[in-house]
Amino acid sequence: DGGITQSPKYLFRKEGQNVTLSCEQNLNHDAMYWYRQDPGQGLRLIYYSQIVNDFQKGDIAEGYSVSREKKESFPLTVTSAQKNPTAFYLCASSMRDLNGYTFGSGTRLTVV
Amino acid sequence: QKEVEQDPGPLSVPEGAIVSLNCTYSNSAFQYFMWYRQYSRKGPELLMYTYSSGNKEDGRFTAQVDKSSKYISLFIRDSQPSDSATYLCAMSRGPAGTASKLTFGTGTRLQVTL
Repeated sequence: DGGITQSPKYLFRKEGQNVTLSCEQNLNHDAMYWYRQDPGQGLRLIYYSQIVNDFQKGDIAEGYSVSREKKESFPLTVTSAQKNPTAFYLCASSMRDLNGYTFGSGTRLTVV
Repeated sequence: QKEVEQDPGPLSVPEGAIVSLNCTYSNSAFQYFMWYRQYSRKGPELLMYTYSSGNKEDGRFTAQVDKSSKYISLFIRDSQPSDSATYLCAMSRGPAGTASKLTFGTGTRLQVTL
């Protein structure tokens, strides 16, 4: 079955550590996105990529970094510069059409 | 003021009721409108995707867009306990897959009771 796989489902990080969240899709979608979801704030765009080896900052990119070396993969690194990293992180992908965006099942990151 | 406003609920209805979920927005450039359903601790799943004004029906779900009023709605007929979830509206200037940013409402939590 085609879809988006995010791993791990739960992640705990100590303050001052970098951590990388995985996102893999087998939908052959060109575009991939990372969102952050906090209670009462909806989803906010961190980074997006329309093609391999190219990506753009979203609304809240500070403290995050990404790479897009393969069409299928769009990992997100949460760096120690991110002041409030505890959140639910969602990866999505899409084609340029009216079929919308497909989301992964999310990674819940907790800083301890 | 947020670009997209959505009542957070919670909204509690009995099984079989008709549910109306709504969002208002301020950016007249939005052309593409979506509704997502999100179960607890899961990713959102697309329910409806419409372009510009009008209605779209899919089974028990009907999406309406009124661009003149900057108002979108999702109606759920014959609601079921399995419909209990958070419903997110989302909208953008351009279609999926472009550089056009998707802007979300905060979500409405729906509870359908037996």
